[in-house]
Amino acid sequence: DIVLTQSPGTLSLSPGERATLSCRASQSVSSRYLAWYQQKPGQAPRLLIYGASSRAAGIPDRFSGSGSGTDFTLTISRLEPEDFAVFYCQQYGSSPYTFGQGTKLEIK
Amino acid sequence: QVQLVQSGAEVKKPGASVKVSCKASGYTFTRYYMHWVRQAPGQGLEWMGIINPGGGGTSYAQKFQGRVTMTRDTSTSTVYMELSSLRSEDTSVYYCARSYIGAAGTVSDFDYWGQGTLVTVSS
Repeated sequence: DIVLTQSPGTLSLSPGERATLSCRASQSVSSRYLAWYQQKPGQAPRLLIYGASSRAAGIPDRFSGSGSGTDFTLTISRLEPEDFAVFYCQQYGSSPYTFGQGTKLEIK
Repeated sequence: QVQLVQSGAEVKKPGASVKVSCKASGYTFTRYYMHWVRQAPGQGLEWMGIINPGGGGTSYAQKFQGRVTMTRDTSTSTVYMELSSLRSEDTSVYYCARSYIGAAGTVSDFDYWGQGTLVTVSS
């Protein structure tokens, strides 16, 4: 199974700052098959980024994804109050389609 | 618009089974896989398995092999996930999520999710 390790576990930032979240895979993941999701309390996850760098429909351009191989990054250029949540990376290139353990982005 | 609407919360005793439904609308049911993902309280996301609504083929995470069954009813565009021999560690929110069936049957990202169904296992 491909293990995804996200860092940091918690990130404390203020609105307007830049957030950088990391996802490292235990083996190479085709960048076509790496996604990022945002989850707010009591809600289902929401797709943000697919194919490592493509924004899903309706996602603001302050969200961007990059990376390849085993190292992937989600960047939020200027944090808005509604961005604070838990973020998960996921690989869907090989079964089982594993998720990282999540990064909690909290208001400082 | 695409909607995945799941059945309501359940409370079960250890050893029992639970069957959760996920009714799809707003798209061609057989063109998208359906996955089941669960989330224990305060924990992360765990993929359980996948069903192809067209042919009914399934694949389950090894952890759930022998305990989970995913089925579908194409007449109502509904998929079902049944989990048996429930234990307290199965207390979770269970989500269905769809992904496009790509060329050669490849899986895509999970672009729409159901609202989740809380299953509580308690004696």
